[in-house]
Amino acid sequence: DGGITQSPKYLFRKEGQNVTLSCEQNLNHDAMYWYRQDPGQGLRLIYYSQIVNDFQKGDIAEGYSVSREKKESFPLTVTSAQKNPTAFYLCASRTTWVRSSTNYGYTFGSGTRLTVV
Amino acid sequence: SQQGEEDPQALSIQEGENATMNCSYKTSINNLQWYRQNSGRGLVHLILIRSNEREKHSGRLRVTLDTSKKSSSLLITASRAADTASYFCATDATRGGSNYKLTFGKGTLLTVNP
Repeated sequence: DGGITQSPKYLFRKEGQNVTLSCEQNLNHDAMYWYRQDPGQGLRLIYYSQIVNDFQKGDIAEGYSVSREKKESFPLTVTSAQKNPTAFYLCASRTTWVRSSTNYGYTFGSGTRLTVV
Repeated sequence: SQQGEEDPQALSIQEGENATMNCSYKTSINNLQWYRQNSGRGLVHLILIRSNEREKHSGRLRVTLDTSKKSSSLLITASRAADTASYFCATDATRGGSNYKLTFGKGTLLTVNP
């Protein structure tokens, strides 16, 4: 089955530590996105990538970094510069072949819950 | 920045009743989408309505869009306990066709009581 896999499901970070969240998709989607969700809040965009080896900052990129070396993978690193990293992180992807698709919708992974300990 | 704002923040109804959720947004859009999120899970795409459409149906879902009022509504008919979830609207306001990204609202928590 095609889809997006996020791992781990739960992650604990110590103060001053960098951690990396994995996002892998086998949907052959060009575009990938990272969102952060806080309790009772909507999703806020951290980074996104429309194509391999290219990515753009979203609304809350400070304290985060990403890479897009392969089409299938878009890992997110939460650095020690992110002072309040406890949140639910969601990865999503989307096809950019819009001529053949009427669906501009995102496919989401099941999320990673990051907690600072 | 938050583009869409859902209303109400929470809605509790009985099974079999209809549920209506509203979304308002601020800028011109290309399309508006509705997503569902079960607790602790990822979001699932429900339906998309383009800026030149006024109404769209999918099963028990009915979405309307009023671009003059910058608002949309999602109607779930004959609700079931399994419809209990948070519902988010998301807008595409991308210009130029590149760097497409969606902006999400804060969501409506729908509880359907058996």
